[in-house]
Amino acid sequence: SYVLTQPPSVPVAPGETATITCGGNNIGSKSVHWYQQKPGQAPVLVVYDDSDRPSGIPERFSGSKSGNTATLTISRVEAGDEADYYCQVWDNNNYYVFGSGTKVTVV
Amino acid sequence: QIHLLQSGAEVKKPGASVKVSCRASNYSFKSFGISWMRQAPGEGPEWMGWISGNNGDTNSAQKFQERVRLTVDTPTSTAYMELRSLRSDDTAVYYCARDAYDYGVRYFASWGQGTLVTVSS
Repeated sequence: SYVLTQPPSVPVAPGETATITCGGNNIGSKSVHWYQQKPGQAPVLVVYDDSDRPSGIPERFSGSKSGNTATLTISRVEAGDEADYYCQVWDNNNYYVFGSGTKVTVV
Repeated sequence: QIHLLQSGAEVKKPGASVKVSCRASNYSFKSFGISWMRQAPGEGPEWMGWISGNNGDTNSAQKFQERVRLTVDTPTSTAYMELRSLRSDDTAVYYCARDAYDYGVRYFASWGQGTLVTVSS
């Protein structure tokens, strides 16, 4: 099965930058998508196709990819950004695959 | 705005079945599929399967193939996910999401609100 690896937690101070990584075998050849999930809510798409933002998502959220790692960057972090973040890819053998998630804590 | 409304929480005993519904609105139901995911406590979402809103074709993850049944009722724009032979580790929040696979989209922009299924004796 295809596995996406994320750090369990990322602490960040308000106004600083949070960087969340997502690693996977040959992830460079796949499109990576990112979701934000707050407690008790469904996931919300914040970045798709590596670096595009859906309408309504602040420019503070950006995505990139290099080698076997994709990255979600949240600039000028706000208290409301505290949430779990999941990466996701499509794999021909495993279909839709999600990462294990990263909890962003605003400290 | 696309809306997916799921049925309410369920409590089931081991060995029973559960059926969760997902009613879609504000888009052409037959033009898209519906994917089902589940999320166990403290874990990431897990894709279970997909059903076409047009012709009822299905595809499911190997892990669930023997226990899951996906159906649609086109006149009411409603998709259903039935999971049989429930075990305690099936306790999770189950989500439906609009699937635009046929349009080259490999992510989910619209989700239901989730349905908590608790399996306990």
